[in-house]
Amino acid sequence: DGGITQSPKYLFRKEGQNVTLSCEQNLNHDAMYWYRQDPGQGLRLIYYSQIVNDFQKGDIAEGYSVSREKKESFPLTVTSAQKNPTAFYLCASRRGSTNEKLFFGSGTQLSVL
Amino acid sequence: KNEVEQSPQNLTAQEGEFITINCSYSVGISALHWLQQHPGGGIVSLFMLSSGKKKHGRLIATINIQEKHSSLHITASHPRDSAVYICAVMKGAQKLVFGQGTRLTINP
Repeated sequence: DGGITQSPKYLFRKEGQNVTLSCEQNLNHDAMYWYRQDPGQGLRLIYYSQIVNDFQKGDIAEGYSVSREKKESFPLTVTSAQKNPTAFYLCASRRGSTNEKLFFGSGTQLSVL
Repeated sequence: KNEVEQSPQNLTAQEGEFITINCSYSVGISALHWLQQHPGGGIVSLFMLSSGKKKHGRLIATINIQEKHSSLHITASHPRDSAVYICAVMKGAQKLVFGQGTRLTINP
């Protein structure tokens, strides 16, 4: 079945540590996105990529980094520079046109030890 | 003020009731999305609208571009409809702006 797979479902980060969240899709979608969700707030865009080897900062990119070396994969690294990383992270993808539905992964809950 | 406002924030109803969730936005948009988030956290796209009305099963979504307003209706609500419903608007080519969500609980 086609879809988006995020892993792990739960992740714990120690002080000063970088951690990487995985996002893989087999939908042949061009565009991929990373969002952060905090309790009581709407999703906020961290990074997005419209094509392989290209990505753009979203509204809250500080403390995060991404890569898009393959069409299927868009990993997100939460660096030690992100001082408040505890949140629910969602990856999404779509075909590329503005009038296409978004498909979401099941999310990763990141917590700080 | 948020660019996308949803109401109500929380809604509890009895099984079988007709449900309406509202979304107002203050910016020009190219499309509006209704999303459903279940307790596990995963999000499913329900509708994408740029005008008029769409129906899928017991769900109906409408949008009024002039009034910058959209509604999501659920007919004959069921406990499995309990979820957070999120409105999101597309500004430009890639920027989605999300509402804070409406938590819906349907009691048997």
